[in-house]
Amino acid sequence: GAVVSQHPSRVICKSGTSVKIECRSLDFQATTMFWYRQFPKKSLMLMATSNEGSKATYEQGVEKDKFLINHASLTLSTLTVTSAHPEDSSFYICSARYYAGPVYNEQFFGPGTRLTVL
Amino acid sequence: GQQVMQIPQYQHVQEGEDFTTYCNSSTTLSNIQWYKQRPGGHPVFLIQLVKSGEVKKQKRLTFQFGEAKKNSSLHITATQTTDVGTYFCAASIQGAQKLVFGQGTRLTINP
Repeated sequence: GAVVSQHPSRVICKSGTSVKIECRSLDFQATTMFWYRQFPKKSLMLMATSNEGSKATYEQGVEKDKFLINHASLTLSTLTVTSAHPEDSSFYICSARYYAGPVYNEQFFGPGTRLTVL
Repeated sequence: GQQVMQIPQYQHVQEGEDFTTYCNSSTTLSNIQWYKQRPGGHPVFLIQLVKSGEVKKQKRLTFQFGEAKKNSSLHITATQTTDVGTYFCAASIQGAQKLVFGQGTRLTINP
């Protein structure tokens, strides 16, 4: 099946530093990837839609200068949290849309990255 | 605002009891998907419903899509401890490629 990896799985950083999270589709090409944020015991909140070769589409209320998204290839999208602050601490999950499968618009999720900003 | 409402938020059952979670939208949905997230894990795709009135079964799980394509349900018969987790519905609205997730229903089971 379609596999999505995410790296790192866990990161702890100091306030003011930037953190890059990678999302890779391992065995399929993903022209579209999505970035979500999930607070403890809460639902997934879509942050942005990442399309290969074009600018990401951000959801309302998500600062594009704060959360930089780059989708440079068909198998890799990156999310950079710039000048991270404690309120940015969260579980970040990416997903990739799998076009070749039998289910339209099925998304495969990465294992997530837990970010803790001290 | 939230376009997909899911209830209940929490459900605790005795092992062997049934469980149902419901999703509702004021908007007609292009399709609806269901995901399961185990504690500490990531969402895993369960199924997609596309047709009005569609019913699909996966062993003890039964998924339904309403006739008006505005609501859906997931029913688990005779729950087992392996069913523990949070169940999310996610909808594609107006054919958009992005998914809107419900709030999730967290299922806990007393063995």
